[in-house]
Amino acid sequence: ETGVTQTPRHLVMGMTNKKSLKCEQHLGHNAMYWYKQSAKKPLELMFVYSLEERVENNSVPSRFSPECPNSSHLFLHLHTLQPEDSALYLCASSQDLGTATGELFFGEGSRLTVL
Amino acid sequence: AQSVTQPDIHITVSEGASLELRCNYSYGATPYLFWYVQSPGQGLQLLLKYFSGDTLVQGIKGFEAEFKRSQSSFNLRKPSVHWSDAAEYFCAVGANTDKLIFGTGTRLQVFP
Repeated sequence: ETGVTQTPRHLVMGMTNKKSLKCEQHLGHNAMYWYKQSAKKPLELMFVYSLEERVENNSVPSRFSPECPNSSHLFLHLHTLQPEDSALYLCASSQDLGTATGELFFGEGSRLTVL
Repeated sequence: AQSVTQPDIHITVSEGASLELRCNYSYGATPYLFWYVQSPGQGLQLLLKYFSGDTLVQGIKGFEAEFKRSQSSFNLRKPSVHWSDAAEYFCAVGANTDKLIFGTGTRLQVFP
């Protein structure tokens, strides 16, 4: 196992379903992130965790609920989503918070389609 | 306001040709600058970064970028493009404990 792993890679769900996205990092990093990537838009930072504590929530609708049970795992719980929530959801990690620590390591993403 | 602009949405080059992808930023402090690449179906991978010092930085896969403070630019270059370079390229800017701000990306297509 290397880097940042996301499951599932593809997910199709109805607006009334409840599902979860999972992210696992094997890098010993202290910070983890959820990003939303939509076509022709900049990456949107959704949530930031540092040492398992949420440090940022960028006005994300409550139908997205993050969970960080330990420093290696990050979940994004989804419920009653809207079609406009269809996007690629990327998980990332870094050694510590902040740009000065350098590189973000990204997973391959979970492609979500909401019908 | 802090922002990153990648003016070229889509660029097409022939294999072996040189490449320059543009990135302009607006940032209040001295920025840290990054280029990431995203191959189809993949996450983003760091190509190179500039924190301080020499304004010409070398990255992986033969890429380089030059920080020009007077022009608020951090353009990415490669002297000879390979077909495997076809991907989407993202410029990003941040500073110290700030979060990264990403551009909208430039999609590179390479013809044989």
